[in-house]
Amino acid sequence: TQLLEQSPQFLSIQEGENLTVYCNSSSVFSSLQWYRQEPGEGPVLLVTVVTGGEVKKLKRLTFQFGDARKDSSLHITAAQPGDTGLYLCAGASGGSNYKLTFGKGTLLTVNP
Amino acid sequence: GAVVSQHPSRVICKSGTSVKIECRSLDFQATTMFWYRQFPKQSLMLMATSNEGSKATYEQGVEKDKFLINHASLTLSTLTVTSAHPEDSSFYICSARDEFQRTVVRGSPLHFGNGTRLTVT
Repeated sequence: TQLLEQSPQFLSIQEGENLTVYCNSSSVFSSLQWYRQEPGEGPVLLVTVVTGGEVKKLKRLTFQFGDARKDSSLHITAAQPGDTGLYLCAGASGGSNYKLTFGKGTLLTVNP
Repeated sequence: GAVVSQHPSRVICKSGTSVKIECRSLDFQATTMFWYRQFPKQSLMLMATSNEGSKATYEQGVEKDKFLINHASLTLSTLTVTSAHPEDSSFYICSARDEFQRTVVRGSPLHFGNGTRLTVT
């Protein structure tokens, strides 16, 4: 069974601070995706990384995929209250069904 | 972009009754859909993989007879919670993969529905 360890589980910061969320595994994934979920809604895809060492930027969010494709990080610069939500990493295993393994999530609260 | 519609968004039912949740891909075809369960402030737990035209594949510990899955077309999968009990109360979410994207976009993501909040009284 592939496991994704996501940390920290909870994070409460002040507006303007920077933060990093980590996602680690002993398994290799064909791709890794980051989602953000708000209460009562489904997850919304932020980014997909597929190449080892890949770095993607989405405004103030920077995503990195480890060289060995076993880990990933999400860095948010100058966090804003609108960034508050549950951030989920999910690793995809190969094969036709493309099943995702989710990390436990990071509940981020950005206080004004 | 691809949209997955899940219905109903909220349902309250009495213990012992059955509840059906629908998951539709609105503008793409999905051979495979996935059903998840999520407890408050926790991550998604995969319950089963729904395969169009064949039997669903259930994760370990998920009761097949309690959580009936039907994937009768390329755009619709249903999850029926049979003889619901209060412990079945949860947030159920479906997801689907765009089959066209799967062939042309490496790492094609899943598209999620907005979830169904089930409360069993």
